Amino acid sequence: DAGVIQSPRHEVTEMGQEVTLRCKPISGHNSLFWYRQTMMRGLELLIYFNNNVPIDDSGMPEDRFSAKMPNASFSTLKIQPSEPRDSAVYFCASRKGTSGYEQYFGPGTRLTVT
Amino acid sequence: SQQGEEDPQALSIQEGENATMNCSYKTSINNLQWYRQNSGRGLVHLILIRSNEREKHSGRLRVTLDTSKKSSSLLITASRAADTASYFCATDSWQGGSEKLVFGKGTKLTVNP
Repeated sequence: DAGVIQSPRHEVTEMGQEVTLRCKPISGHNSLFWYRQTMMRGLELLIYFNNNVPIDDSGMPEDRFSAKMPNASFSTLKIQPSEPRDSAVYFCASRKGTSGYEQYFGPGTRLTVT
Repeated sequence: SQQGEEDPQALSIQEGENATMNCSYKTSINNLQWYRQNSGRGLVHLILIRSNEREKHSGRLRVTLDTSKKSSSLLITASRAADTASYFCATDSWQGGSEKLVFGKGTKLTVNP
C-alpha cells in the first residue's frame, strides 16, 4: 500500500491567494483527518470525516478554511484567502474504523504564505 | 487547550540508556495513543492503550496508563541514536456526543551516540 498521499509537498503562495491541499487516504480506511502543525500551537485537529461525512469541524480556524470529501478516496482542504499566519505543515491522516484504531499520517504539506 | 501534555518538553540521553516520557490529560478517555515524528516527516503510530488496560509492551516500548491520575508514560529501553525524534501522546475521548482527538505538544528526544 502506498500509504496516505498528500499533494503538494510544498506550497509557497502570496497573501490573499487561494490554496488547495489534497489528500488520498489509504484504501479501505473510512475516517480521514486534517491537522495543522506549528511550533507555537503544536498539532491541531482541524476537521475529521467518517464515511465522507464531516463529523467534527470545531477545529477549523475560521470561514477562510473549508474541507471536502467528495468520495472515499479523496479530500481537499482549501484556504481562501490565505494569510501569513496560515503558514504551517498540514497533515492528512486516515484510519480504519472509529475510535480504537491508529491513524496513518501522510508526509504533510509545508505551506508558506508570504 | 491541549488535552494531553507531555513532560519533559525535551530529553537528551546517551545511547543505551532508557528514556521515559510522561503524558497527562484532563478528561475521561477511550484510549491513549503514542506517536513518533522524525524531523520533517509525518507521525507514525507506536502503540495504543485502552482505558481498561494498565500496561502494554511492544518491542523496546513500554506504555503504562493510570486513569485515576489521568496520566500515561512511554518508556523506551536501551535507546539507540535512531530513536531520536519527537514523541506525542494523543487522547481519544467522547465529548458532547462526538469523538475528540487531541495531541499533546510532544517530547523531543535526542539520543547521543
